[in-house]
Amino acid sequence: GAVVSQHPSRVICKSGTSVKIECRSLDFQATTMFWYRQFPKQSLMLMATSNEGSKATYEQGVEKDKFLINHASLTLSTLTVTSAHPEDSSFYICSAGRLSNQPQHFGDGTRLSIL
Amino acid sequence: SQELEQSPQSLIVQEGKNLTINCTSSKTLYGLYWYKQKYGEGLIFLMMLQKGGEEKSHEKITAKLDEKKQQSSLHITASQPSHAGIYLCGADMENDMRFGAGTRLTVKP
Repeated sequence: GAVVSQHPSRVICKSGTSVKIECRSLDFQATTMFWYRQFPKQSLMLMATSNEGSKATYEQGVEKDKFLINHASLTLSTLTVTSAHPEDSSFYICSAGRLSNQPQHFGDGTRLSIL
Repeated sequence: SQELEQSPQSLIVQEGKNLTINCTSSKTLYGLYWYKQKYGEGLIFLMMLQKGGEEKSHEKITAKLDEKKQQSSLHITASQPSHAGIYLCGADMENDMRFGAGTRLTVKP
């Protein structure tokens, strides 16, 4: 069964709305989680590394004020797309690993559509 | 969930040796991606394949997608310690993205 749960799977909302996406590790503690974004027919792009109890590490070009990450517990990281606009429409996916030397487990992703 | 079969799960090779990692699906793949994951870090994009029979190379790494677009292989020639890490295939399947279970590669000097 799934070891990483991501919710919601699909969001459609109006421009200007803030959207929160949750990523949960179901049966293990994850001090680090990763957030990715995928545009149609393109590869995943790492947005940020979410660190439990500290600030997230953002990749170059990713606006930290636009994409707020909170990793308040060892099993939950949230990504909030603030004041979303149509160009923020994309597929967002998170991952977490039991151990750093093991493959990551991925959530099922969230398809965000901003009207 | 993982609907891609990736093999082998783990691979230990001597430096200088060639190796191949496979990724297989029972469904047609609309896009196949190969990534490398360094320990404790996020994914690094390696290559994307979209057309049946397509082959791409970058330095000593070659990826192929079969004509039916259901199987892909990643081949590393003359492996080096810098190639060590976890390799992951990912695929676009209609409206979803799926990943293989990963292959942990160790290269012994």
